[in-house]
Amino acid sequence: DIQMTQSPASLSASPEEIVTITCQASQDIGNWLAWYQQKPGKSPQLLIYSATSLADGIPSRFSGSRSGTQYSLKISRLQVEDTGIYYCLQRYSNPLTFGSGTKLEIK
Amino acid sequence: EVQLQESGPGLVKPSQSLSLTCSVTGYSITSNYWGWIRKFPGNKMEWMGYISYSGSTSYNPSLKSRISITRDTSKNQFFLQLNSVTTEDTATYYCARFLHRYPFDYWGQGVMVTVSS
Repeated sequence: DIQMTQSPASLSASPEEIVTITCQASQDIGNWLAWYQQKPGKSPQLLIYSATSLADGIPSRFSGSRSGTQYSLKISRLQVEDTGIYYCLQRYSNPLTFGSGTKLEIK
Repeated sequence: EVQLQESGPGLVKPSQSLSLTCSVTGYSITSNYWGWIRKFPGNKMEWMGYISYSGSTSYNPSLKSRISITRDTSKNQFFLQLNSVTTEDTATYYCARFLHRYPFDYWGQGVMVTVSS
């Protein structure tokens, strides 16, 4: 199975700040990576697909990047509603595997 | 608009089977892929498996032979059965649509299932 090592486990930031969450894949997965946001009490929502493409309706404050087998989600100009848990997902091969999640708190 | 909704019992006894239904509106399950994902207490997420537009299935090997995903195209529903459950199967279960380009772009609201005697 492909392991997705996600960091940090949690972070706290203020509105208007920039935060970055990373996922390290245990092997090459190309661009077969997605990012999700799960707000409290809600279902996960697709933010980024194919490592860098923004899903429909997602603000441009969210962006994805890739460097080798390391993938990053950057959130600019943080807003209070960005509170939640963020997950990466590799869909390069079965079994699909998620990162362990990053809990983001807005101060 | 595509909508998914899970339904099923919220409490299952150990060693019994967990059975959930995902009802889909706004899109035919005879197109693309339809999956089950669960989230454990403590926030770990696990892909369980999916059923394709043709009815073929793919499962997470971690679930071995305990899992079965089936469908009823006449009702536009697909189903999860997980056998021989233990307390470690306590989780919130989600169904979701999986497109080649957009993985899990629509999700149900989730159903919390507790395994307890």
